[in-house]
Amino acid sequence: EIVLTQSPGTLSLSPGERATLSCRASQSVRNNYVVWYQKKPGRPPRVLIHAASSRAPGIPDRFSGGGSGTDFTLTIASLEPEDFAVYYCQQHGGSWTFGRGTRVEVK
Amino acid sequence: QVQLVESGEGLVKPGGSLRLSCVTSGFTFSVYYMGWVRQGPGKGLEWVAYISGDGGAMFYADSVRGRFTISRDNAKNSVFLQMSSLGAEDTAMYYCGRWNTGFDYWGQGSLVTVSS
Repeated sequence: EIVLTQSPGTLSLSPGERATLSCRASQSVRNNYVVWYQKKPGRPPRVLIHAASSRAPGIPDRFSGGGSGTDFTLTIASLEPEDFAVYYCQQHGGSWTFGRGTRVEVK
Repeated sequence: QVQLVESGEGLVKPGGSLRLSCVTSGFTFSVYYMGWVRQGPGKGLEWVAYISGDGGAMFYADSVRGRFTISRDNAKNSVFLQMSSLGAEDTAMYYCGRWNTGFDYWGQGSLVTVSS
């Protein structure tokens, strides 16, 4: 099983700042099949990025994904108030797994 | 528009069973893999199971294999999760999702509480 380690656990930032979230896999993810989701309380997850770097339809361009192999990142270029949430990475290159999430909170 | 509507949530005793349903509309259901993801209280997301478009292939997380069964009825545009031998660790919000290189559409969530 591929273990995904997300860091940091919590990111404290102000609106307008840049957020960089990391997702490290215990082994190389086939075809870079990594997905990023945003999760807010009481709502289902929202897909942001698939295949490591492809933005899902309707997702603002301040969200971007990158990386390959075992190291992946989600970057939010300039935080909007609605971006404060928990972010999860998921891999589906092997038996599916999710990371444990990074909380982006208001500083 | 794409819609996924879940039903079947509830309170069940340890060792009991429960069946979740997810009725979909607005897309060609049989083309898509469908799956279930859960989130326990204070926990992260955990995939539970997913099923191929024709229903011929099912995949399960180790934590539920042998206890949960995913199925679908393409004539009714529906996917199901039959859960048995439930334990406290299965208490969670369960979401059905449409798989499209990521879960791109979700149900509203079904709360399953396992408690005596």
